[in-house]
Amino acid sequence: IVLTQSPGTLSLSPGERATLSCRASQSVSGNSLVWYQQKPGQAPRLLIYGASTRATDIPDRFIAGGSGTDFTLTISGLEPEDFAMYYCQQYGGSEYTFGQGTKLEIK
Amino acid sequence: QVQLVQSGAEVKEPGASVKISCKASGYMFTAYHMHWVRQAPEQGPEWLGMVHPFNGGTNYRQKFQGRVTMTRDTSTGTVYMELSGLRSEDTAIYYCARELPPSLYFDFWGQGTQVTVSS
Repeated sequence: IVLTQSPGTLSLSPGERATLSCRASQSVSGNSLVWYQQKPGQAPRLLIYGASTRATDIPDRFIAGGSGTDFTLTISGLEPEDFAMYYCQQYGGSEYTFGQGTKLEIK
Repeated sequence: QVQLVQSGAEVKEPGASVKISCKASGYMFTAYHMHWVRQAPEQGPEWLGMVHPFNGGTNYRQKFQGRVTMTRDTSTGTVYMELSGLRSEDTAIYYCARELPPSLYFDFWGQGTQVTVSS
C-alpha cells in the first residue's frame, strides 16, 4: 500500500490551523493509520494511532480522523514547537509503509 | 524510564556488512516486538523488518530478504540488525523502534545510527 501525503510543504503562522492529508492506494485495514512528528536530528515521535487516538502526552490541538483511503491530521492553534515534519504510516500486506511526509514550516 | 540506546555511526565500503545494536531498558524486553526502520536523506522512513525478542521470530520486508538478519540477546536486552551487500543507496539513519503487539505502530524509537556507504 502506497501512502501519498499532501501538501509536500505547508507554510503557516503560529496560531493558524494546519490540515495535513494522507491518502492510501488501498483501504487501510482496521483503520491502522498512524501519524508521527519528526524534528531535525530527532527520531520520529508517535502522535496518533488507530487513525484518531492521541498518544500519551499529545496535546488536544492535534485532531486526526478518516477511514478507508483518506485520512487527515489537523493541528489547531499552531504552537512554535509544532513546526516539523509529519509522516503517516500503515500496516498492510505484511509490511509497514510510510508516506513521504509533509513539512510544516513557519511562514 | 524506557530507553533504546543504539550503537554508534558506521562507515562501510560497498559490498561490506554492517551490524547495529539496540539496547533496551525500562520495560519488559520480551513483551514488545522490535522493528528496524531506516531513513535516507530527505526521504520518508522505510521499514526493514522486525524481531520478536520472546522467541527470536523474524519478519523481513521482502525487499531485504537475503540481505538482512535481525537477532536478539535476551540476557542483555539487546537486538541486532545486520545488513550485508551494502551499496550507496543503503546510506541512511537506522532506527530501532518498539511495538506492543498487535498495535501495529511504534511507540518508542532509538536515537538512530548513521550508516554511510562510500568507497
